[in-house]
Amino acid sequence: NAGVTQTPKFQVLKTGQSMTLQCAQDMNHNSMYWYRQDPGMGLRLIYYSASEGTTDKGEVPNGYNVSRLNKREFSLRLESAAPSQTSVYFCASSADRVGYTFGSGTRLTVV
Amino acid sequence: KNEVEQSPQNLTAQEGEFITINCSYSVGISALHWLQQHPGGGIVSLFMLSSGKKKHGRLIATINIQEKHSSLHITASHPRDSAVYICAVPYSGGGADGLTFGKGTHLIIQP
Repeated sequence: NAGVTQTPKFQVLKTGQSMTLQCAQDMNHNSMYWYRQDPGMGLRLIYYSASEGTTDKGEVPNGYNVSRLNKREFSLRLESAAPSQTSVYFCASSADRVGYTFGSGTRLTVV
Repeated sequence: KNEVEQSPQNLTAQEGEFITINCSYSVGISALHWLQQHPGGGIVSLFMLSSGKKKHGRLIATINIQEKHSSLHITASHPRDSAVYICAVPYSGGGADGLTFGKGTHLIIQP
């Protein structure tokens, strides 16, 4: 039972480069989330998806796009990376907003 | 937006001590979550509670909805309890679902 799987675990990008962070869950959860965690701050919601094909902006969506192509997968894309997007990114899923399962995180550095 | 404040930010204690971590929030909620972030970065859900008290092993969580306050207690603390403990409430920033997190309490239990 893998839970929530994120790839890659580490990534270094140059300013202006693009990349996609992948997230997949095998628990048949409807809801999926992307958060970022910065030093001295709590995790902040980037985007949310209630189901396949639906997404909603969270607290800090600027500079990101997301895609929920199916129930399992929810990807986060940085079209033109900026140093301010250096962070640790967590994907999470939930069936009922009672329990949340988190991926192990992606540590992204933009230079 | 719901503001979530945790105290203390950092806590160092000796093995066996009783630990208390506090969380307060600004807007009324239906439920509150406590999570644990391991030194390696992984995040796990500990409790979701909407009233009263919940207990799991040596962990006890309480909430006072009227006072907008929750506490997490650890009895007979052990070095393996060393982690960041995070309080979170339902996100209230718009159409998105998800959580708003406190900044966390960094707990170190010394042998």
